Amino acid sequence: KQEVTQIPAALSVPEGENLVLNCSFTDSAIYNLQWFRQDPGKGLTSLLLIQSSQREQTSGRLNASLDKSSGRSTLYIAASQPGDSATYLCARGSNYKLTFGKGTLLTVNP
Amino acid sequence: DTEVTQTPKHLVMGMTNKKSLKCEQHMGHRAMYWYKQKAKKPPELMFVYSYEKLSINESVPSRFSPECPNSSLLNLHLHALQPEDSALYLCASSHWPKGSGANVLTFGAGSRLTVL
Repeated sequence: KQEVTQIPAALSVPEGENLVLNCSFTDSAIYNLQWFRQDPGKGLTSLLLIQSSQREQTSGRLNASLDKSSGRSTLYIAASQPGDSATYLCARGSNYKLTFGKGTLLTVNP
Repeated sequence: DTEVTQTPKHLVMGMTNKKSLKCEQHMGHRAMYWYKQKAKKPPELMFVYSYEKLSINESVPSRFSPECPNSSLLNLHLHALQPEDSALYLCASSHWPKGSGANVLTFGAGSRLTVL
């Protein structure tokens, strides 16, 4: 069974801190790894996509890495802001399906 | 246009009602998806359409009936639902065929369904 695990389940940090969210997955035969943001009661906003042939992607203060051999991905958020507070989901992409982790609930305190 | 639009945003229905959720995209994507997300859980795949044909049904009960009338529209018809079907229903789209980059999904904002 393909599984995606996210650690920690919840994280609370003061504003300005750099932080790392972790994602691990079984089965290295992935097409891509996506990170999404979800605000309470809302849909999913795609943050970063890493193709299986890539090792990292960057967008603004966000950097995501992918290590297929170890089945791990990390999302690095620099200089966190209260507006970054949300649930962050990673998803393993196969040929037709995204399999999601349970997410990390991030709270950035002013 | 880089959006997936879902309507309605909120829906409350009784167990005997028939209702539909709608999804629309104009990005030229030929794959469309329905995901279901219960509170505090990750989204779970329900259906996949490719080129307007149902490709994947993840063992979803028949009280959920998907329909893809054309390449831009995806419907989810609801009938005789149960209270445990209350959830956020997310529509997504992507390019097809399969292959690297094929499933870069764009999600809609979701339809929040409450079954009384």
